[in-house]
Amino acid sequence: QTVVTQEASISVPPGGTVTLTCGLNSGSVSTSFNPSWYQQTPGQPPRTLIHGTSSRSSGVPDRFSGSILGNKAALTITGAQAEDESHYYCVVYLGSGIWVFGGGTKLTVL
Amino acid sequence: QVHLVESGGGVVQPGRSLRLSCAASGFIFSNDAMHWVRQAPGKGLEWLSVVSYDGSTQYYTDSVKGRFTISRDNSKNILYLQMDSLRVEDTAVYFCARSLEVVAAPRYWGQGTLVTVSS
Repeated sequence: QTVVTQEASISVPPGGTVTLTCGLNSGSVSTSFNPSWYQQTPGQPPRTLIHGTSSRSSGVPDRFSGSILGNKAALTITGAQAEDESHYYCVVYLGSGIWVFGGGTKLTVL
Repeated sequence: QVHLVESGGGVVQPGRSLRLSCAASGFIFSNDAMHWVRQAPGKGLEWLSVVSYDGSTQYYTDSVKGRFTISRDNSKNILYLQMDSLRVEDTAVYFCARSLEVVAAPRYWGQGTLVTVSS
């Protein structure tokens, strides 16, 4: 069974740069997996940050960027702000119509 | 403005059925694929299913295959999720979401509806 892996938790100081990753327990994530990234605060629906590996959704600050780093998808926040403290999820396309979310990363800004 | 509103959630006993609806507005519903995603209390997101723009193709994650059915009525701009043989572990907030096509990730999300499966 394919598992999408994310860091359970990460901390970053205000103004710092942090990279969250999204990998597979077997194999590499490439652009063909169409990775996307979401931000979610408690009690709210997910907010789409990045789709199709690196395309920023409308209204998303440019401090958020998506890429492939090595064998994983990556979400980089450059100049983290207090309001970026949240849960972040990636999703990847496994083919044959099937999508799988990662377990999520809790980002703390302090 | 894209608007997705889920309804139909509630409390149901194990083994029973429930049908969720997602009313869409603000975009051409019949052009886009639609997904269902759920989130159990205190847990992460779980992708469940996607249906193509015309309803002809559906895909499911293994945990709901054979129990849940996704469908759509493009004349009414409504997405459905028929949930049968419900289990306690199906308790979650259920979100509908829009994407451009089946191979595109969910992009626009509804607020969700809570389903509680309990005896």
